[in-house]
Amino acid sequence: DQQVKQNSPSLSVQEGRISILNCDYTNSMFDYFLWYKKYPAEGPTFLISISSIKDKNEDGRFTVFLNKSAKHLSLHIVPSQPGDSAVYFCAASGFKAAGNKLTFGGGTRVLVKP
Amino acid sequence: NAGVTQTPKFRVLKTGQSMTLLCAQDMNHEYMYWYRQDPGMGLRLIHYSVGEGTTAKGEVPDGYNVSRLKKQNFLLGLESAAPSQTSVYFCASSWPGLSGNEQFFGPGTRLTVL
Repeated sequence: DQQVKQNSPSLSVQEGRISILNCDYTNSMFDYFLWYKKYPAEGPTFLISISSIKDKNEDGRFTVFLNKSAKHLSLHIVPSQPGDSAVYFCAASGFKAAGNKLTFGGGTRVLVKP
Repeated sequence: NAGVTQTPKFRVLKTGQSMTLLCAQDMNHEYMYWYRQDPGMGLRLIHYSVGEGTTAKGEVPDGYNVSRLKKQNFLLGLESAAPSQTSVYFCASSWPGLSGNEQFFGPGTRLTVL
């Protein structure tokens, strides 16, 4: 049973518009959430994270929102740029999880059209 | 700094053959991980290590073995490869207490088992 789910496998958006990626989790012990970005033939790279003590974290064009009661988080990219075209993975971790282990969602492929 | 490197980048095996994937990191990270990425499944943890000489099972350990003889290296072995092990393999590293449990990933190894 997947503990972290990204229900939208793909997303297409026009350049300059907002991209919204969603992620749901089931394990109430998760208290750190991360987003990774992955280009083809490269490893994932860290994008942004949020602790469960917050409901929003912003870094430039990227904002992550956390709704603990709904066990839901989302990543907003505003404005979207062609270079944002990539696969985005949501990941979760429990506080002091052994070895900083992460549980990943299945990924959402984003295509930003010029 | 090279970060996390993986050898080889590509490999084709026949069923029953064995091989070892090498991961090296130059960031003096304590923790290291092996993941596999399959379409729609995200990244699934195979094995991980919290320090030199230690290893532990992840989510999908069957058919794989690992060793961490030196802090900077983490080896993933397939003793008798099967077509179900066709995947892209990623190594990652981390440090205790890193904000958000961030992990740093290598570029991946694409393995095909015929």
